[in-house]
Amino acid sequence: DAEITQSPRHKITETGRQVTLACHQTWNHNNMFWYRQDLGHGLRLIHYSYGVQDTNKGEVSDGYSVSRSNTEDLPLTLESAASSQTSVYFCASSESKIGAEAFFGQGTRLTVV
Amino acid sequence: DAKTTQPPSMDCAEGRAANLPCNHSTISGNEYVYWYRQIHSQGPQYIIHGLKNNETNEMASLIITEDRKSSTLILPHATLRDTAVYYCIVRSPNTGNQFYFGTGTSLTVIP
Repeated sequence: DAEITQSPRHKITETGRQVTLACHQTWNHNNMFWYRQDLGHGLRLIHYSYGVQDTNKGEVSDGYSVSRSNTEDLPLTLESAASSQTSVYFCASSESKIGAEAFFGQGTRLTVV
Repeated sequence: DAKTTQPPSMDCAEGRAANLPCNHSTISGNEYVYWYRQIHSQGPQYIIHGLKNNETNEMASLIITEDRKSSTLILPHATLRDTAVYYCIVRSPNTGNQFYFGTGTSLTVIP
């Protein structure tokens, strides 16, 4: 079955380190998204991509970057981790067509100490 | 983007229908209404979506008012496993088809 997987599921890192969270989908979806979730804020969009070599900033993109070198993967990089980036991160993918649903991964819990 | 307004919390008795409202008074004609839910800290799960007509699937029904300014998600026979946070989302092709989540409705199904 097609799926979307995130890794790692849990990570603890130190302030100032570079961290990369992986997202891999096997649906061959063009659209991929990264969200963060914090108490009281619901899910907030960080970055998104409509296809290979395409990346766009979302609501809360400062301190994050993404790259899309193939259809299946959209890694999220924290250039210099900060305590404010302690959060749960979710990746999602969807078809390009209007009206398509998005499928979410199980999340990565990141703690910056 | 059309913003959505949902009550922060609701209770429902097990076995009864759960009716979750959502207001989206600024919705445009080409914007879809989606519903997702999130159980504990799992990834959001797709429930249903619609544009103008009412929709039904194996999980729920979606009732959209004629003026499209509000909608209701109906879980016909709520179970304890339906306890979750439910998000109503308006997805706009005008702004890149993003899924913008609000804070949702926390539904508690009571035995």
